[in-house]
Amino acid sequence: QVQLQESGPGLVKPSQTLSLTCTVSGGSISSGGYYWSWIRQHPGKGLEWIGYIYYSGSTYYNPSLKSRVTISVDTSKNQFSLKLSSVTAADTAVYYCARDVDYWGQGTLVTVSS
Amino acid sequence: QTVVTQEPSLTVSPGGTVTLTCASSTGAVTSGYYPNWFQQKPGQAPRALIYSTSNKHSWTPARFSGSLLGGKAALTLSGVQPEDEAEYYCLLYYGGARGVFGGGTKLTVL
Repeated sequence: QVQLQESGPGLVKPSQTLSLTCTVSGGSISSGGYYWSWIRQHPGKGLEWIGYIYYSGSTYYNPSLKSRVTISVDTSKNQFSLKLSSVTAADTAVYYCARDVDYWGQGTLVTVSS
Repeated sequence: QTVVTQEPSLTVSPGGTVTLTCASSTGAVTSGYYPNWFQQKPGQAPRALIYSTSNKHSWTPARFSGSLLGGKAALTLSGVQPEDEAEYYCLLYYGGARGVFGGGTKLTVL
């Protein structure tokens, strides 16, 4: 059974870069055939797909966030990561990592505040 | 800007049947949009229920079913249980793996 766990700071200052890591267990990122996603949910709101990275390294980013987002993968650690730059209060959300959209992490709340 | 629309809220009685729908601003939803459905309870991560219109995951209860209905994707719950009270989200794919979530339907079991 694949499990995913997000980790990273819960508080980020405005204009700084939000950095999160997703650690995958029960399966290998490099085994192929899946895309590894970041999805967020603003407080009390719906889901927003941030982007994903394919096992091959190709990426897709939501056009509304594309200029600020980088998703990368570290197969040696079986992890993939999210960086979101120049954050504002509007980036305060629960951030989820997922394999395809079938298996999800529990989510981590990131608050942007000084 | 592609918009995926769901009913904001629905209410169903225990044991009843309810259908949630998912519409696309681009037109009729077909199997080529690979509709997915998710259930989310307060304080929990979304849980995948249905993929590619009507396929169930191994953990999806039999009372949940997916289909296409009148140009929309649909999720039907038959024999609703109190524990089915939750927010339900659909996801449609627009080319490759570019997915857009619907705004969610809050299902109340009353």
